[in-house]
Amino acid sequence: NAGVTQTPKFRILKIGQSMTLQCTQDMNHNYMYWYRQDPGMGLKLIYYSVGAGITDKGEVPNGYNVSRSTTEDFPLRLELAAPSQTSVYFCASSYRTGSAEAFFGQGTRLTVV
Amino acid sequence: GQQLNQSPQSMFIQEGEDVSMNCTSSSIFNTWLWYKQDPGEGPVLLIALYKAGELTSNGRLTAQFGITRKDSFLNISASIPSDVGIYFCAGPTTSGTYKYIFGTGTRLKVLA
Repeated sequence: NAGVTQTPKFRILKIGQSMTLQCTQDMNHNYMYWYRQDPGMGLKLIYYSVGAGITDKGEVPNGYNVSRSTTEDFPLRLELAAPSQTSVYFCASSYRTGSAEAFFGQGTRLTVV
Repeated sequence: GQQLNQSPQSMFIQEGEDVSMNCTSSSIFNTWLWYKQDPGEGPVLLIALYKAGELTSNGRLTAQFGITRKDSFLNISASIPSDVGIYFCAGPTTSGTYKYIFGTGTRLKVLA
């Protein structure tokens, strides 16, 4: 029972580098989300998707891009990494409108130096 | 923008004690969620509340949807060491039911 799988688990980037955080879910959920969690803080929504081909911005989208070509995958792209993007990133999915039952991945810990 | 304020921010309790925490919002919510995050893991849903006044239990956990719809409460009875973690409340933003905002969390530490 894989659920939501994120890769990589850890990554160190240099300022200005780019990378893609991968997220895949095997629950056939329509809704997927990317959050970031800064130390001692709650989760902030970066982007979300309500289905393949449809994405929209959350609270803190600047510096990120997403795509949703399939139901299963929702990668998050960081272009020109900055120290302010040092955080733990969580991908989540849910199966119905306004569903409370969001399932989270284990997170990707990213450090930008 | 909308904010969810959780109280207390952190707490140390003795094993066996009951725990209470709450979450307040500046605006009305029609859903309240409570999640727990273990160290190094993603949050896991504990309880979901959909109706004002609703009281829902999950084992030793009980959560209530406040009558004003601007607050929610989580109680843990007879705490055990594995209750340690961060407890988050969350709710859908007014701009769309797909987007949830999270509180800043209550960090619980249980002393054996």
